[in-house]
Amino acid sequence: DAGVIQSPRHEVTEMGQEVTLRCKPISGHDYLFWYRQTMMRGLELLIYFNNNVPIDDSGMPEDRFSAKMPNASFSTLKIQPSEPRDSAVYFCASSLTRGLGTEAFFGQGTRLTVV
Amino acid sequence: ELKVEQNPLFLSMQEGKNYTIYCNYSTTSDRLYWYRQDPGKSLESLFVLLSNGAVKQEGRLMASLDTKARLSTLHITAAVHDLSATYFCGSYNTDKLIFGTGTRLQVFP
Repeated sequence: DAGVIQSPRHEVTEMGQEVTLRCKPISGHDYLFWYRQTMMRGLELLIYFNNNVPIDDSGMPEDRFSAKMPNASFSTLKIQPSEPRDSAVYFCASSLTRGLGTEAFFGQGTRLTVV
Repeated sequence: ELKVEQNPLFLSMQEGKNYTIYCNYSTTSDRLYWYRQDPGKSLESLFVLLSNGAVKQEGRLMASLDTKARLSTLHITAAVHDLSATYFCGSYNTDKLIFGTGTRLQVFP
């Protein structure tokens, strides 16, 4: 397996534009996590899915953020409209069922810059 | 709500020295994970600790878990420059994987 794949790797956009980040989890993994990493706030959990269903989105900062997982092999994180304070690295991670005790595997991240 | 705290946040150490990074978590959890992140890179799994008293070692790094104290440690033995990175610990609250703030380690000659 190629691991967790995120796209794009880098995104520069203007304030007010819509941004869509994409993630393909490892095949067979039933958990998918979206994180945001900044110097000030560290690694924050935004939302996670289990079997394509959003379980907890309490970390999503505002209504401008939304996430979907239409099938087991694809998820998106959308920001509309984007603001400069959304600039960060966004990571997607996937893992197997909790009871197996395996770790989460991270994608390479998307570095988002909003100007 | 689970909180995961690491200390120190920054660690500058000389090659050959030993040191320990501490990870405290606020609620009962039976799993603890350690990750490494190099600058500009993703997070890479180092250790998975699944039970009280678990100890795992890889090279100059050794991790342990005390679930009663809600404490995990990452011990560095005879540090080398290649260990310079940021280290994160993470734990689960139900199915939410929460990470600490990270410890930025810099090893100098």
